Amino acid sequence: DVKVTQSSRYLVKRTGEKVFLECVQDMDHENMFWYRQDPGLGLRLIYFSYDVKMKEKGDIPEGYSVSREKKERFSLILESASTNQTSMYLCASFGLSTDTQYFGPGTRLTVL
Amino acid sequence: EDQVTQSPEALRLQEGESSSLNCSYTVSGLRGLFWYRQDPGKGPEFLFTLYSAGEEKEKERLKATLTKKESFLHITAPKPEDSATYLCAVMTTDSWGKLQFGAGTQVVVTP
Repeated sequence: DVKVTQSSRYLVKRTGEKVFLECVQDMDHENMFWYRQDPGLGLRLIYFSYDVKMKEKGDIPEGYSVSREKKERFSLILESASTNQTSMYLCASFGLSTDTQYFGPGTRLTVL
Repeated sequence: EDQVTQSPEALRLQEGESSSLNCSYTVSGLRGLFWYRQDPGKGPEFLFTLYSAGEEKEKERLKATLTKKESFLHITAPKPEDSATYLCAVMTTDSWGKLQFGAGTQVVVTP
């Protein structure tokens, strides 16, 4: 059974704080993705990674960075959180073994 | 530019009232079309992948079909537990692993 886990379901942070969102997959997938989802805007791709230590910008990378030190783990970093980064953050992974993107449960982040 | 458009935005059905959701796409080269179901506050759950025109896939009351320009998700005799947002996404031949999503169709099934 495929599994993508995210470190927190709910998170509340203050403006200016550094925020880490962690994602782990157990499918040995090559690719991992970070999205944010907002009402009326749908799923938007922030960053993705094709391999360890590799990253590529998605559609809305501004204000975010990522880290992929191990194949199974992909971290999203908000260097200085702002209120407009309040959103639902979703992690996904994709690999040849499944030929499908599988999603984690999501992290609802609120920045005050 | 690649585009994925879902219609309608929202659909309200009586229990047992069958209907279809539409996903139309314009892409340079289709590698696969994906359907997901998303419940409020949760991550999308994978339903189907379709690869070529004429292909069909079924799961319980859901059936997905694909043509060269669009896909349909048919819901037969829906139950309240089928209430969710249904997302369509495409993967192109030059963006391996990467999906472009439509905005989704929110389905509410009332008893």
